[in-house]
Amino acid sequence: AQTVTQSQPEMSVQEAETVTLSCTYDTSESDYYLFWYKQPPSRQMILVIRQEAYKQQNATENRFSVNFQKAAKSFSLKISDSQLGDAAMYFCAYRSRGYMRFGAGTRLTVKP
Amino acid sequence: ETGVTQTPRHLVMGMTNKKSLKCEQHLGHNAMYWYKQSAKKPLELMFVYNFKEQTENNSVPSRFSPECPNSSHLFLHLHTLQPEDSALYLCASSQDAHTYEQYFGPGTRLTVT
Repeated sequence: AQTVTQSQPEMSVQEAETVTLSCTYDTSESDYYLFWYKQPPSRQMILVIRQEAYKQQNATENRFSVNFQKAAKSFSLKISDSQLGDAAMYFCAYRSRGYMRFGAGTRLTVKP
Repeated sequence: ETGVTQTPRHLVMGMTNKKSLKCEQHLGHNAMYWYKQSAKKPLELMFVYNFKEQTENNSVPSRFSPECPNSSHLFLHLHTLQPEDSALYLCASSQDAHTYEQYFGPGTRLTVT
């Protein structure tokens, strides 16, 4: 069964600094997608970034980038120039053949 | 605004009540999902509908009954719930049920008394 593990229940970063959130997953599939979702205190989950497993190039969306290590089954999220609005729960998610699995989440606090 | 709406946003119900949660998506997607989000637990996928057909039921108790009359609407009918069913229930949609990212609604905060 596919599992997604986020080993950091909570993380903290100073405003304008960089933080990296960790995610590992377990799968026997070769074709899959990985996502990072953000859930601010208002509760609406929004997509931050996606990565196709067949692409070697790491995905980037403005201040958000990933470090995708397929062999190690690792998918970390780097947030650069952190802003107060980045404070939220961040969920790593795996998707393949209709299966969707989420990690337990990492609560990110941004200190002014 | 993600194009996925849920009503009601908050619901308090007794264990003998019958209520329904509603989800509507305005994104032209073909797949819709129900998730349960409990405190300190990973998001749990409950049901998946693809082109109005249920394709996944993750061992959800029968006191939860989904209904998908068309690709834009999804309901979750609730009856004789237990206090441990109190949680945030999230609806999501995607282009189809296989490879695309999901777009989430704001959720319904359910409290069972």
